[in-house]
Amino acid sequence: EAGVAQSPRYKIIEKRQSVAFWCNPISGHATLYWYQQILGQGPKLLIQFQNNGVVDDSQLPKDRFSAERLKGVDSTLKIQPAKLEDSAVYLCASGRGVRGNTGELFFGEGSRLTVL
Amino acid sequence: AQTVTQSQPEMSVQEAETVTLSCTYDTSESDYYLFWYKQPPSRQMILVIRQEAYKQQNATENRFSVNFQKAAKSFSLKISDSQLGDAAMYFCAYSFTGTASKLTFGTGTRLQVTL
Repeated sequence: EAGVAQSPRYKIIEKRQSVAFWCNPISGHATLYWYQQILGQGPKLLIQFQNNGVVDDSQLPKDRFSAERLKGVDSTLKIQPAKLEDSAVYLCASGRGVRGNTGELFFGEGSRLTVL
Repeated sequence: AQTVTQSQPEMSVQEAETVTLSCTYDTSESDYYLFWYKQPPSRQMILVIRQEAYKQQNATENRFSVNFQKAAKSFSLKISDSQLGDAAMYFCAYSFTGTASKLTFGTGTRLQVTL
């Protein structure tokens, strides 16, 4: 089966500009996650979707970050306006999200953002 | 809130030797999952091994095995017969059981494998 697809792989922007990242999860996976991974740190959950509904967005800086998952399939994460501290790798992951699932998440290769 | 702690920022092992990576966690749940994920320089996270908290038996996957101590909330990863391809960041992670569980990660351990 195809893995989790993310684009773009790399993005460089000036502070106060906007950026959008796209994720296509594994076909049939109900749950989708966006994680932020700052260099030298572990991934931190930004937002979690179950189908097209938000389960957890408590760590999402809502004044500048937004995310949507239309039709319960692919998802877009947007940052506007970007700050220097937003420089990180943005990881998308998906999971089966069904009863009896193993808890395993499947990750994309990530989108590396550099804010200058 | 659940937390995961990895106290070893970097570890080094010689090829063919054995190395153990440490992880502790904190939770009030009785049923949960624990994972070790590997992140090579290309950044894609890959599952190495998974442990279900209700199982007493330690999980093993070929050269990888865990030492799960539930009472001590400890979950270490042992890599036997280390290979150059094992060099990567290793993350310990926790999730509660449920249909929409999320992963909480530690800060990672960078493993170097030398000749």
